[in-house]
Amino acid sequence: DIQMTQSPSTLSASVGDTVSITCRASQNIHSWLAWHQQKPGRAPKLLIYKASSLESGAPSRFSGTGGGTGFTLTITSLQPDDFATYYCQQYDSYPYSFGQGTKLEIK
Amino acid sequence: QVQLVESGGGVVQPGGSLRLSCAASGFVFNSVGMQWVRQAPGKGLEWVAFIRYDGSAQHYADSVKGRFTISRDSSRDTLYLQMNSLKAEDTAVYYCAKSRHGPLIDKWGQGILVTVSS
Repeated sequence: DIQMTQSPSTLSASVGDTVSITCRASQNIHSWLAWHQQKPGRAPKLLIYKASSLESGAPSRFSGTGGGTGFTLTITSLQPDDFATYYCQQYDSYPYSFGQGTKLEIK
Repeated sequence: QVQLVESGGGVVQPGGSLRLSCAASGFVFNSVGMQWVRQAPGKGLEWVAFIRYDGSAQHYADSVKGRFTISRDSSRDTLYLQMNSLKAEDTAVYYCAKSRHGPLIDKWGQGILVTVSS
């Protein structure tokens, strides 16, 4: 099974900052990686798919890079609505595992 | 627009059974794969199961294999999760999810709580 490891687990930042979250896969998943955003008490929402493709309707301040085993989600010019928990997920092979999540908090 | 509405959650005793349903609308149900993902209280997301668009194949997490069964009824545009031999560690919010490009999750339901407790 493929293990997904995110870092950091918690990230404190201010409105207007640029932040990055890293996700590592235990084996090559090519570009089959998605990023989902979840706010408290709400269902997750897809932001990025195929490592770097922005989902329709997602703000352009979100971007994804990487491939193989290393991936990064970057959020530029943080907005108040962006403070949430972010999960990476591989969909290269089942079980389609998630990272443990990164909680983005207001500093 | 895409809507996924889960139902069937509740409180069940350890060893008991429960069947979750997910009513889908706003897309062609029999052309996409579907999934279940769960989230224990205060924890992260855990992938549970996937079913192909035509129901010809299903895949499960090891934690539920042999106890849970994912199925679909295209005549009702409904996804199911039959959960047997439930354990306390199955307590979670269960999300129904629509797939795109194979197993990519692109839409989530609002979630339904399942509590396994005596």
